[in-house]
Amino acid sequence: EAQVTQNPRYLITVTGKKLTVTCSQNMNHEYMSWYRQDPGLGLRQIYYSMNVEVTDKGDVPEGYKVSRKEKRNFPLILESPSPNQTSLYFCASMRQGVNTEAFFGQGTRLTVV
Amino acid sequence: EDQVTQSPEALRLQEGESSSLNCSYTVSGLRGLFWYRQDPGKGPEFLFTLYSAGEEKEKERLKATLTKKESFLHITAPKPEDSATYLCAVQARNQFYFGTGTSLTVIP
Repeated sequence: EAQVTQNPRYLITVTGKKLTVTCSQNMNHEYMSWYRQDPGLGLRQIYYSMNVEVTDKGDVPEGYKVSRKEKRNFPLILESPSPNQTSLYFCASMRQGVNTEAFFGQGTRLTVV
Repeated sequence: EDQVTQSPEALRLQEGESSSLNCSYTVSGLRGLFWYRQDPGKGPEFLFTLYSAGEEKEKERLKATLTKKESFLHITAPKPEDSATYLCAVQARNQFYFGTGTSLTVIP
């Protein structure tokens, strides 16, 4: 089954404690990206990756890091989380080209206290 | 500035009452316009991708159309199970920009 898998689904952490949210896709997609979703602001892109070892900033990259060492995985790293990073996070993947479909993970609800 | 605006914010329909959702955009270098459905607590579910003005795509009771400045998602004879938030996104260069969505409620 084609899917994007995020872990964990829920996470409560304290300010400053480094954390990683994992994302894996089984469709051999080149393009992967991370979003945060906040009430009234919609989905905003944090980082994206066009392929292995190629990453770039989206609209709201401050406070986040990513890496793309393998095609299937695209982890999101918060080196020193702060309360304003409390949000619902989604990972997505997409094949490049026309008539493409985009797939989202189930989301990670992060609370930073 | 790249921008996507969806209207209305919320829409209540009687079952069988057809309507349209609007997505207007201002981007440079449009590579595609995407429609998604999102149910509470879940990730967005892909519906359509449109690439050029005049293009139309259909799926069951949904039909998406695209002009140079906006897209419409037409819902024909909706059912209660169509209740969800519908999101529009544009791909400009390699980035994605989302609207804030239209929350649709279909009343039996």
